[in-house]
Amino acid sequence: EVQLVESGGGLVQPGRSLKLSCAASGFTFSDYNMAWVRQAPKKGLEWVATISYDGSSTYYRDSVKGRFTISRDNAKSTLYLQMDSLRSEDTATYYCARSDYSAFDYWGQGVMVTVSS
Amino acid sequence: DIQMTQSPASLSASLGETVSIECLASEDIYSNLAWYQQKPGKSPQLLIYYASSLQDGVPSRFSGSESGTQYSLEINSLQPEDEGDYFCQQSYKFPRTFGGGTKLELK
Repeated sequence: EVQLVESGGGLVQPGRSLKLSCAASGFTFSDYNMAWVRQAPKKGLEWVATISYDGSSTYYRDSVKGRFTISRDNAKSTLYLQMDSLRSEDTATYYCARSDYSAFDYWGQGVMVTVSS
Repeated sequence: DIQMTQSPASLSASLGETVSIECLASEDIYSNLAWYQQKPGKSPQLLIYYASSLQDGVPSRFSGSESGTQYSLEINSLQPEDEGDYFCQQSYKFPRTFGGGTKLELK
């Protein structure tokens, strides 16, 4: 059974940093691209970043470029999102998702990130 | 960026009815369109990929179709468990973009 379990969320002040983790199991992690998708309270879904199966390619939405870094450790079957210079508009539930070429086929339960002073 | 215009924003229907949700892409996305269902407090679940392929385990009352840059999700014979939010998403180009969502309520 595919499982994706996020951790590392919480309350953080504007301008500070936070690192999210996503532990994967039930599939060969190194075979799949992975992504982060977020959802602000009572809002829609917003893609944040994608990393290729081997970590060689990364893609970001413009609003997080230069502030967020997606990475992975295939030996540990873990995906990461380093979030620096956080802003109030980054407040959201962050989902880790497995990405095949056509869709996000499995999602984690999500982790809440609140950016507030 | 590719804009995904989803309609309607909300929908109310009765048990057993058939409903349709639309997504219009701002440019050709060559069938690279997925549909997701999200229930309150839960993570999204994939229903349809490549516009019309049913994800494993998804009931056959869900179906997807396309006409040019217009994509549709049809739900036949509505069931109570179909209540929730529905989103379309294009996977043709980065940045990946989602439609604004449709809230489906049962009368």
